[in-house]
Amino acid sequence: QKEVEQNSGPLSVPEGAIASLNCTYSDRGSQSFFWYRQYSGKSPELIMSIYSNGDKEDGRFTAQLNKASQYVSLLIRDSQPSDSATYLCAVNPSASNDYKLSFGAGTTVTVRA
Amino acid sequence: DTEVIQTPKHLVMGMTNKKSLKCEQHMGHRAMYWYKQKAKKPPELMFVYSYEKLSINESVPSRFSPECPNSSLLNLHLHALQPEDSALYLCASSHRDRGTEAFFGQGTRLTVV
Repeated sequence: QKEVEQNSGPLSVPEGAIASLNCTYSDRGSQSFFWYRQYSGKSPELIMSIYSNGDKEDGRFTAQLNKASQYVSLLIRDSQPSDSATYLCAVNPSASNDYKLSFGAGTTVTVRA
Repeated sequence: DTEVIQTPKHLVMGMTNKKSLKCEQHMGHRAMYWYKQKAKKPPELMFVYSYEKLSINESVPSRFSPECPNSSLLNLHLHALQPEDSALYLCASSHRDRGTEAFFGQGTRLTVV
């Protein structure tokens, strides 16, 4: 079982729609969860961090965490063509190993104008 | 300011060459990382330095040699690389206390010929 799994893409959404990205993780002791956006040929950019159960909103982005279900998601509202990128879910697998981040394979999102 | 600066942006080297990748951050972060990313794959952790000491080596071949001269600088020395080592090399840094909320540099695109 992979440590971090993301819903397979690519995901194509029309401009103005909501893009929904899902991520599950295997280590129940995981404490920190991150979403990175990576444009083609560029480096990952941190867009959301979430540490507690529930929702966290930042502009058009909402991260949702459910530790009991070992599930974290990212919603992108009012999707824009500039949101077209690969989104990487990253998880800190254990509180005793603060430095390791496990990445999912990524979900590529295309926003159609 | 969440800037991690990597040089060079692009590097082409022969299999017998010795070269170095450089990374710099002035955010006061005490953890610094080297990741390797192949096309359409997530970043793979190579090394972690915590408070200028090597804390994680993910069984990386000895042809990759990391160095942390001070808390702001991180180098990756390269020697006798193989064509399969061609990849995007990413440096990242994080506050030790923030559960690995890591910020990436723009990367060095390495081609081994």
